[in-house]
Amino acid sequence: EIVLTQSPATLSLSPGERATLSCRASQSVSSYLAWYQQKPGQAPRLLIYDASNRATGIPARFSGSGSGTDFTLTISSLEAEDFAVYYCQQRSIWPRTFGQGTKVEIK
Amino acid sequence: EVQLVESGEGLVQPGGSLRLSCAASGFSFSSYAMHWVRQAPGKGLESVSAITNDGGSTYYADSVKGRFTISRDNSKNTLYLQMGSLRAEDMAVYYCARRGGSGWYDYWGQGTLVTVSS
Repeated sequence: EIVLTQSPATLSLSPGERATLSCRASQSVSSYLAWYQQKPGQAPRLLIYDASNRATGIPARFSGSGSGTDFTLTISSLEAEDFAVYYCQQRSIWPRTFGQGTKVEIK
Repeated sequence: EVQLVESGEGLVQPGGSLRLSCAASGFSFSSYAMHWVRQAPGKGLESVSAITNDGGSTYYADSVKGRFTISRDNSKNTLYLQMGSLRAEDMAVYYCARRGGSGWYDYWGQGTLVTVSS
């Protein structure tokens, strides 16, 4: 099973600031990595797939990069609705595994 | 509009069984693989099971293999998860999710809560 490790666990930032979230895989997943956003009481929402492609309807302030074992999700300028938990997921090998999540909270 | 609506929420004793359903609408259900993902209270996400669009292949996490069975009825646009020998660690919100054209979960249900307790 591929283990995904996200850092930091919590990111405390103010609106307008830049957020950089990291996801590291225990072995190469090529570009088979996605990022999801989850708000309390809601299902996750797909943000980025195949490491760097924005899903339909996702604002341009969200971007993804990386390949192999190291990936980054960047939110260029945080808006109020972006404060949430973010998960990375790989689909290189079943079972599809998720990272433990990074909570982006208001500072 | 794509919709996935789970049902089957309940409280079950350890060792008991429960069947979850996921009713799909707004898309050609038989064209898409479907997955179950769960989230224990206050915890992260875990892929539980998957099934191909025609039901010909199924996949399970080791944690549920031999206890859970995924199936689908394309004539009813419904996905199922039959859960047996339930344990305390199976307690979670269970989501059904569509594997979209990109290969990722592009639509999710609202989730249904499974509580395992005596």
